[in-house]
Amino acid sequence: AQSVTQLGSHVSVSEGALVLLRCNYSSSVPPYLFWYVQYPNQGLQLLLKYTSAATLVKGINGFEAEFKKSETSFHLTKPSAHMSDAAEYFCAVSGNNRLAFGKGNQVVVIP
Amino acid sequence: DVKVTQSSRYLVKRTGEKVFLECVQDMDHENMFWYRQDPGLGLRLIYFSYDVKMKEKGDIPEGYSVSREKKERFSLILESASTNQTSMYLCASSSSGEGIPHEQYFGPGTRLTVT
Repeated sequence: AQSVTQLGSHVSVSEGALVLLRCNYSSSVPPYLFWYVQYPNQGLQLLLKYTSAATLVKGINGFEAEFKKSETSFHLTKPSAHMSDAAEYFCAVSGNNRLAFGKGNQVVVIP
Repeated sequence: DVKVTQSSRYLVKRTGEKVFLECVQDMDHENMFWYRQDPGLGLRLIYFSYDVKMKEKGDIPEGYSVSREKKERFSLILESASTNQTSMYLCASSSSGEGIPHEQYFGPGTRLTVT
């Protein structure tokens, strides 16, 4: 069964610094991967998705993620953190017509 | 814009009560999902549905049932609420079809407290 692993439940980053959230996947077939963001008291919103067209995927709000098959990874990055990036981020992999989510990273941005 | 709405943002129920959580989507999506979200556990799939009157168990279906009588509406039912069902409940929908999986669109969530 497909699954994803996100390490580090809480991530602190200084405003203006690089945001890096790690996601490793396990899949028996070529994966389709997603990153979602959840702002306080809201549902999840799609940031970006990988569907095998290009290994570097650009999303909303300046985020991007790179698919690396050799490392079974799909890490999310943003060059410069903004206060508005404080949220919870979830990686997900598609399989059996459903998504399997990681446990999430709570991002805190320090002024 | 896809819109997924949930009947309540906050709900407080007593142990043993029957609880209905309603979800409606306006994009004619075939697939609908119910998750619960708990701190440190991420999102866990309770039930999903591919079509009207169709349902499939997810990872944690115990204590829950669902109903999908119309394409746009997917209901989650707690037959006899218990305190361990206190959680955030999220509904989602997606289109279906061959090829690339479609992203899921989420509602704002219902925070259920069972006392």
